Order: sequence, then C-alpha cells, then structure tokens
Amino acid sequence: DTAVSQTPKYLVTQMGNDKSIKCEQNLGHDTMYWYKQDSKKFLKIMFSYNNKELIINETVPNRFSPKSPDKAHLNLHINSLELGDSAVYFCASSPWDRPAYEQYFGPGTRLTVT
Amino acid sequence: SQELEQSPQSLIVQEGKNLTINCTSSKTLYGLYWYKQKYGEGLIFLMMLQKGGEEKSHEKITAKLDEKKQQSSLHITASQPSHAGIYLCGAGPSSNSGGSNYKLTFGKGTLLTVNP
Repeated sequence: DTAVSQTPKYLVTQMGNDKSIKCEQNLGHDTMYWYKQDSKKFLKIMFSYNNKELIINETVPNRFSPKSPDKAHLNLHINSLELGDSAVYFCASSPWDRPAYEQYFGPGTRLTVT
Repeated sequence: SQELEQSPQSLIVQEGKNLTINCTSSKTLYGLYWYKQKYGEGLIFLMMLQKGGEEKSHEKITAKLDEKKQQSSLHITASQPSHAGIYLCGAGPSSNSGGSNYKLTFGKGTLLTVNP
C-alpha cells in the first residue's frame, strides 16, 4: 500500500494552461506539504496544511493554489502555467503531534511546461 | 532564514570505497534530517539527529551531528551501487516541538555515483 501517492507522475503541458496535481496519504497524518524541486535539484517548501487549514505559505506566486478537501488530501492547482514552473513537485505528510519526527514523501510529479 | 550547504555537490566513487558527505548550517540545528532520493522517486527518510555529538547508523550509513550542532556528516562504508542517488540534508525543529511554523529547509543535495 502506498503511503503518500501523487497523480499524475508526469505532466507535460503548454504555457498558459491550468493544471492540477493530486496528493493523498493513508497514514492518518494531520499535516501535509507541497515541495518544489527545481532543475538544480533544490528542494523548497511551498505550502503546508494542518487539518485542512493553511499553516505555511512561502513566497509562491498566486497562480499556485493548494486545496485540502479533507486531511488526507492536498491538491495543488496551478493557473496560467509558465516555463519556470517546470520542476518536480513533491507532496509530503507528517503527524501533527510530532511534526518534526519525519516527513513521508510521495514519488513526485514531474511537470514540464513547453 | 536558515541555509544549509552541502559538500561535495557530486561524488563519484568506486564500489567498496568509503565516502563522506557534509552538511553545514548557517544557524544552530535543532533537528537535522538525512534523506535519499533516487531519480524519478520520492525522498526516503534515512535518519534524524537532534543532540550535539549524536551519531546514528542505518546499515552501512552513519550520520553525526557535531557538538555545536551546526554541521552534520553522512558517512557510507564500503559503498555499493545501491547507495547511488541524491542525498539531501534537511533542517527543522526538534521532535519535541510542535507549532504552526514547522517546515523543513533542505540543502541542495549531493549526487552520489558508485561505479561497479
């Protein structure tokens, strides 16, 4: 059973399009995250949700909008895609009561904007 | 904000050789995490260090956090092709802290290639 799953695994789209990436975790964790890994392999946090509530929002363009319908899901919607959005996006989750213990990462979604 | 610098950026070793990857923080580390990433896959948690001088091992991988808690090293003994991948160090609060500002800050990673 996959602990943190993301769909799709690969996403190729054109500039200007709107796309969504879905994330689901079956670990019963309260906190979920979105990270972006750019072409230089630099991994940086974008958002974090705890029990469907936004708790971390780093400096990310407004075109990126996370949505958490329930605490097991955290989706990422991107409007008006740009070339610079090409990256691998990782979803992660962790328990709230011990949030620093470890984060469980999904396999990543490789987004290519042409 | 906290910054993590990893060295070397990339490393090529012959199978069977030992190697060390370093992670240096601009601020005191309260929780230091090591992850491994294989191409096309997610991050795999290796270990977490909290206390100055702490050392943990997982199979042939050993990580240490120095006494001043601003540097960590990851050491692989008798490397194998299965060790190849990107090693990332991450910094965050200690395991005893909660709160709304939790997040992990990552270094840029070290790409390890092990030649058979």
